[in-house]
Amino acid sequence: AQRVTQPEKLLSVFKGAPVELKCNYSYSGSPELFWYVQYSRQRLQLLLRHISRESIKGFTADLNKGETSFHLKKPFAQEEDSAMYYCALTKTSGGGADGLTFGKGTHLIIQP
Amino acid sequence: ETGVTQSPTHLIKTRGQQVTLRCSSQSGHNTVSWYQQALGQGPQFIFQYYREEENGRGNFPPRFSGLQFPNYSSELNVNALELDDSALYLCASSLGLRDAYGYTFGSGTRLTVV
Repeated sequence: AQRVTQPEKLLSVFKGAPVELKCNYSYSGSPELFWYVQYSRQRLQLLLRHISRESIKGFTADLNKGETSFHLKKPFAQEEDSAMYYCALTKTSGGGADGLTFGKGTHLIIQP
Repeated sequence: ETGVTQSPTHLIKTRGQQVTLRCSSQSGHNTVSWYQQALGQGPQFIFQYYREEENGRGNFPPRFSGLQFPNYSSELNVNALELDDSALYLCASSLGLRDAYGYTFGSGTRLTVV
């Protein structure tokens, strides 16, 4: 069974500092990885996915299959980045659907 | 373009009762999935419906059941409610079976079982 681990429950950094939110996964096949974000009083929304290899709001994430990690990074944090961040995984092949497997989330606080 | 809407927003039920939660998918989306999010946890996959049939299920007992209607809206039914069923229930819709097309989440229904 797949599992996603986000070791930090809470991460507090100062505005302008670099941010790294850690995500490790375990899955026997070839997964697809995502980062979802939930801003205060808003619904869960997709931030980025590894297959797109894109940068959204200055965030990037690289899939490291050797270390089974998908850490989220931003070089200079902004106050509007404060939110709850969830790493998630889904399988890319096989029949049926397993949905998304989420980590427990990391609460990112950007201090002024 | 409308997003995913869920009703009701809050609900209080007594242990042993049954509950039905509703979800209207985003316009054009044919796949609906349901998640349970307990306090301090990430969402946990319950099941997914594609074109009115369940095509995937997480580790939840049979007393969690669902329906998808021809207009792609969906219901989540939970029988014999237990205290541990207290959680935020999220509905997500997408175009296609996998998240490759992007899931759109609703705001959720907060269920409290007393």
